[in-house]
Amino acid sequence: GENVEQHPSTLSVQEGDSAVIKCTYSDSASNYFPWYKQELGKRPQLIIDIRSNVGEKKDQRIAVTLNKTAKHFSLHITETQPEDSAVYFCAASKGRSQGNLIFGKGTKLSVKP
Amino acid sequence: DGGITQSPKYLFRKEGQNVTLSCEQNLNHDAMYWYRQDPGQGLRLIYYSQIVNDFQKGDIAEGYSVSREKKESFPLTVTSAQKNPTAFYLCASSHGRQAFFGQGTRLTVV
Repeated sequence: GENVEQHPSTLSVQEGDSAVIKCTYSDSASNYFPWYKQELGKRPQLIIDIRSNVGEKKDQRIAVTLNKTAKHFSLHITETQPEDSAVYFCAASKGRSQGNLIFGKGTKLSVKP
Repeated sequence: DGGITQSPKYLFRKEGQNVTLSCEQNLNHDAMYWYRQDPGQGLRLIYYSQIVNDFQKGDIAEGYSVSREKKESFPLTVTSAQKNPTAFYLCASSHGRQAFFGQGTRLTVV
């Protein structure tokens, strides 16, 4: 089955710096890659996603890149702010319309003012 | 808020007892999921259901059971066979690819 590896497990940056979180997946049939943000004590919420027919997607300060050949995808956060501090999870799934999300172990991002 | 309701928020169980966690959604989603979250372990899939009256085991189904008698409801029972049940449990539903999570239930064995 699918296996998703996520690195680093913790990341600390200064406010205004960029943060990058990387994930690799094992199943070449996976075709959907979302990223979730979980603030302390709250539910995970989707922040951005990418499908396998696209190499990059941006939404304001966040972007996701996908390299299908290497089977890895990354989350990029620019101009980080203290409210970006949270645990971020990557995930992968396959199928035409819906599929089971297999999650990475998460990255705890701390943005220091 | 999100249309998925989990209850209770906190649950305490004595060893040897079964306990059922509730998950209800009013989003008309066909697919529902149960995940377990442990510190440093991410989200691990317990069970999932893509249609009423059908469900499949995930990666860590041992010691758990589910039912899907109604589209809106997907309760999870933690049985006495689950040796390490203390964890944070998250229910989710999906329409297409996007999953929506409930607020979670924190289960503690006392």
